[in-house]
Amino acid sequence: GENVEQHPSTLSVQEGDSAVIKCTYSDSASNYFPWYKQELGKGPQLIIDIRSNVGEKKDQRIAVTLNKTAKHFSLHITETQPEDSAVYFCAVLNTGGFKTIFGAGTRLFVKA
Amino acid sequence: DVKVTQSSRYLVKRTGEKVFLECVQDMDHENMFWYRQDPGLGLRLIYFSYDVKMKEKGDIPEGYSVSREKKERFSLILESASTNQTSMYLCAVVSSSTDTQYFGPGTRLTVL
Repeated sequence: GENVEQHPSTLSVQEGDSAVIKCTYSDSASNYFPWYKQELGKGPQLIIDIRSNVGEKKDQRIAVTLNKTAKHFSLHITETQPEDSAVYFCAVLNTGGFKTIFGAGTRLFVKA
Repeated sequence: DVKVTQSSRYLVKRTGEKVFLECVQDMDHENMFWYRQDPGLGLRLIYFSYDVKMKEKGDIPEGYSVSREKKERFSLILESASTNQTSMYLCAVVSSSTDTQYFGPGTRLTVL
């Protein structure tokens, strides 16, 4: 079955710096790659996603890149702010099925 | 966006008790999921349902059952709670048109 590895598990950056979180997956049939942000006491919330026919997607300070050949995708946050502090999860789905596989999560700390 | 509500934010139960966790969505989506979230393990799928009265086991169904009598409501049942079921439980609803998962706020269950 699909396996998703996420790195790093913890990331600390200074306000204004960039943060990068990487995920690798194993199933080449996977074609949908969302990223979720989970703030303290809340459920995860979708922040950006990318499909396999696209290599990069950007939404303001957040971008996701996908390398299908190498089976990895990354979340990039630029100009980080304290409110970006949260746990971030990558996920992988083959849209022909039901199961989304999640990475173990990255706890991001943005220091003011 | 889909609104997903869960019956309790915090719950404390004793070993051997029967526990009901309820999830309600405000849209008409077929696919609903129950996950448990533990530190370092990410989100693990317990059960999912793709229609009323339909259910499928996820990766860790042991000790749990589910009920989907109405489309908007998906219940997770712990028949006889045990201490190793102490966890955060998250319900999610998937939009079949976008593949996006919408999560509820979570129920933090403690079994003493």
